[in-house]
Order: sequence, then structure tokens, then C-alpha cells
Amino acid sequence: DGGITQSPKYLFRKEGQNVTLSCEQNLNHDAMYWYRQDPGQGLRLIYYSQIVNDFQKGDIAEGYSVSREKKESFPLTVTSAQKNPTAFYLCASNPAGGADTQYFGPGTRLTVL
Amino acid sequence: GESVGLHLPTLSVQEGDNSIINCAYSNSASDYFIWYKQESGKGPQFIIDIRSNMDKRQGQRVTVLLNKTVKHLSLQIAATQPGDSAVYFCAAYNDYKLSFGAGTTVTVRA
Repeated sequence: DGGITQSPKYLFRKEGQNVTLSCEQNLNHDAMYWYRQDPGQGLRLIYYSQIVNDFQKGDIAEGYSVSREKKESFPLTVTSAQKNPTAFYLCASNPAGGADTQYFGPGTRLTVL
Repeated sequence: GESVGLHLPTLSVQEGDNSIINCAYSNSASDYFIWYKQESGKGPQFIIDIRSNMDKRQGQRVTVLLNKTVKHLSLQIAATQPGDSAVYFCAAYNDYKLSFGAGTTVTVRA
């Protein structure tokens, strides 16, 4: 059963705590992406990685960090420096990082109390 | 960069009628476009895509039209069904990333 998995589906954290969101894909895709979605808005790119051990900042990278140690995994850490972390976080992948369809995971809803 | 926007934030359509969702983009260098459907609490689902060397592409009950002259694309859904109720996003590819519009919420009336 191929696809992109994100865990957990819902996550609650206290203000000031770092939290790591998981994203795994078994599609053998080179490129992976993290987006943030706020109510009534489109998706905004946080970080992306086109190959293992390499990643680039997206449009709203401040307060976030990522790693890409394995092809199938691209975890996102929301740090205490992120001013407004409560949002719906979506991970995506595509085969080669170019102009091609990005396939999305089911998302993680993070609520910071 | 790229800025993508949809013309209407909401669309209400009678079941069985055709739906048209419009989208505008700003960067003439954008060469690949995707329409996604997102149901509440879920990740976006691919509907159809089109490259800049095409004007029209058809899928099952959906058609995407691209007008590069005015930087506009549209998604047409034929014979809209209750299961088509969702938020629809267009996305434009440029400079190694996709830029998304804010989404149009489609509500299908029975």
C-alpha cells in the first residue's frame, strides 16, 4: 500500500515546546515538501528537499527546521521561535522535484495551547 | 515569484449542473498547473494538471482550460454531484515550487 503518511493526525503542545511532525513516503520519490495551511487560506511552503541530505527554505521557514537523512523521511520540527504555530501541516512528495504532480499526505493538525 | 488567486471564494451549484472555477496567476514563466480538491480535514487530492504547451485537457468529468495570454485557467466540472462539494485549489509551478491560490469552496445543492 503506497503513499504518504503523516503522524499524528492531531497534536497538542504547550507554548514554548518544540514539536516534531513525521512524514514518511514509500513512493520512492526524490522530492518532499512541507506546507502550512491556515483557515480560509491556500498552502504556504515551509521547506522542501529535492534530494537526500539537502533542503531549502520555502516562503515561511522562520521558526521551523527539517532534516532529510533518508529518502523516505522528511520530519518537520516546529520550534518555540515560531510565533503562531497552530495550523494544519501538510507534507507532499513528487518523483523528481521538477514540474510534476505533488502528492499529499493526510495532514497533521497542530494546536499549541 | 508567483502569485495565484481565485476569482470567487465560494460557489454554490445545483446538483447536475456544470461548475466553473476560475484562477489567475501572475508569472508568465509558470509552465505547469495543477488543480487539487480538498475535503474537510484531509490532504489535497490531485484532480488534473496541464502544461503550458497545452490549452485544454480533459479528464473524467473535468476539463482544465489554460489561457496564457491573460494568465488564467479554469476548472470545469460536468454534472456536479454531492461528492464534488469541497475546496478547490489551483497551483502554478515556477522556480522549483508550487504556489497555491486561496481556494474556492464549492457547495452542491440537492
